[in-house]
Amino acid sequence: AQSVTQPDIHITVSEGASLELRCNYSYGATPYLFWYVQSPGQGLQLLLKYFSGDTLVQGIKGFEAEFKRSQSSFNLRKPSVHWSDAAEYFCATAGSNYQLIWGAGTKLIIKP
Amino acid sequence: DTAVSQTPKYLVTQMGNDKSIKCEQNLGHDTMYWYKQDSKKFLKIMFSYNNKELIINETVPNRFSPKSPDKAHLNLHINSLELGDSAVYFCASSLGEGQPPQHFGDGTRLSIL
Repeated sequence: AQSVTQPDIHITVSEGASLELRCNYSYGATPYLFWYVQSPGQGLQLLLKYFSGDTLVQGIKGFEAEFKRSQSSFNLRKPSVHWSDAAEYFCATAGSNYQLIWGAGTKLIIKP
Repeated sequence: DTAVSQTPKYLVTQMGNDKSIKCEQNLGHDTMYWYKQDSKKFLKIMFSYNNKELIINETVPNRFSPKSPDKAHLNLHINSLELGDSAVYFCASSLGEGQPPQHFGDGTRLSIL
């Protein structure tokens, strides 16, 4: 069965520092992969998605993610975080019937 | 303008009651979803409608009944509420079937006493 693992429950980063959030998936074929952000008390917003083609995907708010088949990973990166990036980040993959299979989420804490 | 709006934001009620959560999207999207986020933060899909037609119906108790009067609305009615129904319920929409949800509502926190 397909699954998504986000190994880090929470990550603390200083404002202005770079960020990488890890995501690993299990799926035989080329997966559809997504990153979502959930700000405190708010709904989820799609940051970026990978279906095929270029393995480096650009998203909104300055985020990017790289699909690495050899590592079964789709890590999210940002060169310089802002305090407003503090939120919970969810990695997801599309299962059968286009349902989304979600990771447990990684909470991002920004130090001033 | 809010893209996906759901009401109410908070719902506190007693076991055995019947309640409804409403969802509306003004994006012109064809597909709408209901997700349940439990205390472990996992998001589980419950239902999906494409242009008012049910396309995904996960293993959800019959007490949960979605209704889509038009493609801009997807309401969720829950009968005979149980303690285990306590969760945050998210509505979402996407351009169409096969596209991932792009916009979510702010969630409805349901608490069963």
